[in-house]
Amino acid sequence: AQKITQTQPGMFVQEKEAVTLDCTYDTSDQSYGLFWYKQPSSGEMIFLIYQGSYDEQNATEGRYSLNFQKARKSANLVISASQLGDSAMYFCAMRLSNFGNEKLTFGTGTRLTIIP
Amino acid sequence: DAGITQSPRHKVTETGTPVTLRCHQTENHRYMYWYRQDPGHGLRLIHYSYGVKDTDKGEVSDGYSVSRSKTEDFLLTLESATSSQTSVYFCAIQGAGADTQYFGPGTRLTVL
Repeated sequence: AQKITQTQPGMFVQEKEAVTLDCTYDTSDQSYGLFWYKQPSSGEMIFLIYQGSYDEQNATEGRYSLNFQKARKSANLVISASQLGDSAMYFCAMRLSNFGNEKLTFGTGTRLTIIP
Repeated sequence: DAGITQSPRHKVTETGTPVTLRCHQTENHRYMYWYRQDPGHGLRLIHYSYGVKDTDKGEVSDGYSVSRSKTEDFLLTLESATSSQTSVYFCAIQGAGADTQYFGPGTRLTVL
């Protein structure tokens, strides 16, 4: 069974600094997808970025990038130039890309606090 | 934003009562999901649907049932609510062949 591990329960970062949120995963499948979601204090789940297991380039979306290291089974989220609005819970998730098995498995999350 | 609504948004109920949560989408997406979120557990899948009348269990399905009679609606029912089902419930949708699941705003359920 697949598993996602986020080892940082909480992080405090100075505004404008870069942030790396750790995520490791475990699966024996070759085809899978990795996701990051943001959950602000208001509670909604906001999709940030996606990386497919066969993608050769690391995914980027604005200030977000995903540092994908397949051999190490890690998919860390990097936020450049952090802002106060980045304070939130961040969840890493994985999906196996098999028909009828489109379910996401989530990590337990990292609470990021940006300090002015 | 993906067109997903959940109702009710908040509910307080008593142990032993039946509860139905509704997820409605306007995107005509094939896949729909129900997750619950609890502290220390992230989100865990309860049930999912891959088409009208096609549903399957997730990792925490005990005590829950689902129904999908129309593409746009996915209902989650707690037949007899227990205090352990106090949680925040999220619905999500995904198009066939798409990469990403999009989430509804969530329903906060409290079982006293």
